[in-house]
Amino acid sequence: GAVVSQHPSRVICKSGTSVKIECRSLDFQATTMFWYRQFPKQSLMLMATSNEGSKATYEQGVEKDKFLINHASLTLSTLTVTSAHPEDSSFYICSASRIRGDTEAFFGQGTRLTVV
Amino acid sequence: GNSVTQMEGPVTLSEEAFLTINCTYTATGYPSLFWYVQYPGEGLQLLLKATKADDKGSNKGFEATYRKETTSFHLEKGSVQVSDSAVYFCALRGRTGGFKTIFGAGTRLFVKA
Repeated sequence: GAVVSQHPSRVICKSGTSVKIECRSLDFQATTMFWYRQFPKQSLMLMATSNEGSKATYEQGVEKDKFLINHASLTLSTLTVTSAHPEDSSFYICSASRIRGDTEAFFGQGTRLTVV
Repeated sequence: GNSVTQMEGPVTLSEEAFLTINCTYTATGYPSLFWYVQYPGEGLQLLLKATKADDKGSNKGFEATYRKETTSFHLEKGSVQVSDSAVYFCALRGRTGGFKTIFGAGTRLFVKA
């Protein structure tokens, strides 16, 4: 149980285009989902927290107009990288928790974005 | 705010050597603590966890004990294998402030045959 799936696992897009990454909780309802970014050989940095049906809360320094997050249902959150540029190339990972006080969040397998 | 500090790598060991990766944390309240492992080109895998003080998490020969008095959660393994070569992340999930999972910088482990 508690499986989180991301799609796509890899994506290559042209500079200036937008790309959408999906994060789905397959066997539970996720009240909260989190989006992280990982640069090569670095740690995971939290970008934003999204609660179903409400606006995402972005961490300091993360451009909300650049990284659009939609948590429209209890099993799906999407991250859209708008007007992507090569510096947006990174590994994006989502996680989901079942209830607010859950001791653990469950992680997706990640999406590697390459902007050319 | 909450934070995690773990020892810098890389750590290079010979097969069957003893492994310790230090991790300390700063948090409000009583967070849950985790070790995750990331193999090259892959996502995160949960290695072990502990949710309260004095709990010991263990998995695949790895162990870590939640020490509230020293705010530590050091990872240990008695005999490492080449297949343990990976990056290890210490993390905490707070019980307040959005319930975020915060990661340490990661420690890269190389195990030589």
